[in-house]
Amino acid sequence: GESVGLHLPTLSVQEGDNSIINCAYSNSASDYFIWYKQESGKGPQFIIDIRSNMDKRQGQRVTVLLNKTVKHLSLQIAATQPGDSAVYFCAEARDTGFQKLVFGTGTRLLVSP
Amino acid sequence: DGGITQSPKYLFRKEGQNVTLSCEQNLNHDAMYWYRQDPGQGLRLIYYSQIVNDFQKGDIAEGYSVSREKKESFPLTVTSAQKNPTAFYLCASSRRQLSNYGYTFGSGTRLTVV
Repeated sequence: GESVGLHLPTLSVQEGDNSIINCAYSNSASDYFIWYKQESGKGPQFIIDIRSNMDKRQGQRVTVLLNKTVKHLSLQIAATQPGDSAVYFCAEARDTGFQKLVFGTGTRLLVSP
Repeated sequence: DGGITQSPKYLFRKEGQNVTLSCEQNLNHDAMYWYRQDPGQGLRLIYYSQIVNDFQKGDIAEGYSVSREKKESFPLTVTSAQKNPTAFYLCASSRRQLSNYGYTFGSGTRLTVV
């Protein structure tokens, strides 16, 4: 997971489809994970988080799945809308003491009407 | 409302000038961070501070400087030594324990060299 200047992969979907954005994290000791949404020209905003003692967590239209065996995190967005078009970042941390978030590269989601 | 404020939203710098980007938070967060984002790319950590009067270099600190004299404030100076400063700069803050939303980000400052 370190974001080191790679250009963003893009996922294109049609409005109403379900979207799945994937993220491979780097540290098997990470125990806290977050998904952020960044719209163009704005700062990232929190979407949903999950701790390592869970493998699934649901929010409004979003679900995060965590597979610790293969160090994989995914964000599922149901009934994708044009307003969901943005860049999505995953982030990982060990939530003990002070630990910086490590951000993934990011995925650009494009939703067509 | 509690939040984190970056100013200005847009900033233009001439070659050889130092400029300072402001970041203020009223969330009572201990930690603050500065990130750089280039077009179509991810977040790169410049500097971070865990506590007042202390800060550490991130992955791309060369050409930047920071101070943390107050808990609420973490200004970033882009010096003339930064050869390619045109980018989108994001400030963030967090509690020492990251659970509950992790970082809160500001709305960013877009810096352009003219």
